[in-house]
Amino acid sequence: QVQLVQSGAEVKKPGASVKVSCQASGYTFTSYYMHWVRQAPGQGFEWMGMINPPSGSTMYAQRFQGRVTMTRDTSTSTVYMDLSTLRFEDTALYYCARAPVPAAGLWYFDLWGRGTLVTVSS
Amino acid sequence: DIQMTQSPSSLSAFVGDRVTITCRASQGIGSYLAWFQQKPGKAPKSLIYSASNLQSGVPSKFSGSGSGTDFTLTISSLQPEDSATYYCQQYNNYPPTFGGGTKVEIK
Repeated sequence: QVQLVQSGAEVKKPGASVKVSCQASGYTFTSYYMHWVRQAPGQGFEWMGMINPPSGSTMYAQRFQGRVTMTRDTSTSTVYMDLSTLRFEDTALYYCARAPVPAAGLWYFDLWGRGTLVTVSS
Repeated sequence: DIQMTQSPSSLSAFVGDRVTITCRASQGIGSYLAWFQQKPGKAPKSLIYSASNLQSGVPSKFSGSGSGTDFTLTISSLQPEDSATYYCQQYNNYPPTFGGGTKVEIK
């Protein structure tokens, strides 16, 4: 079954870090890019960045530069998103989303995880 | 960043109705537009890419059209299982950006 399975909900204090995982199954892990997109409560979707699984190369949205790190483990077909120096406004659902390698343009997302709720609370 | 504006923000229609959702980009994006569906507690589901290409496995009652700045998603005959929030996403310009969503409810 083609799916992305994400880790469970997290509660963190301001200033802490969180690491969310996303395990892919049912397809060739290294044939697609993997992205992270978040959705704050009552808000829209926000693209955070991406990782290219074969090489591990990454690209991050400017507003997360310096705070986010995306990594992958090809042996387990898992990608990780580490967000540091958490703030209250980082409370959101964090999704991993698979993107076909584009022939042109950028990326659209053809497969999504269910999301991981990260709550930042004192 | 390109702004994506969806309208309406919500709608209510009867089973069997034809439903149209509009997405407007703040500048031209060619045909680099995708639509996806989100139901509470479930993974978002890709419906359409490149403005009008149906994702594999998506029923043909869904269709997309448009290019440049104006796009539409149409559900030809609304069914109870189509109750969800629908989003557009542009992928012509960096960074990819999303519309604010249209919540579709059944009367």
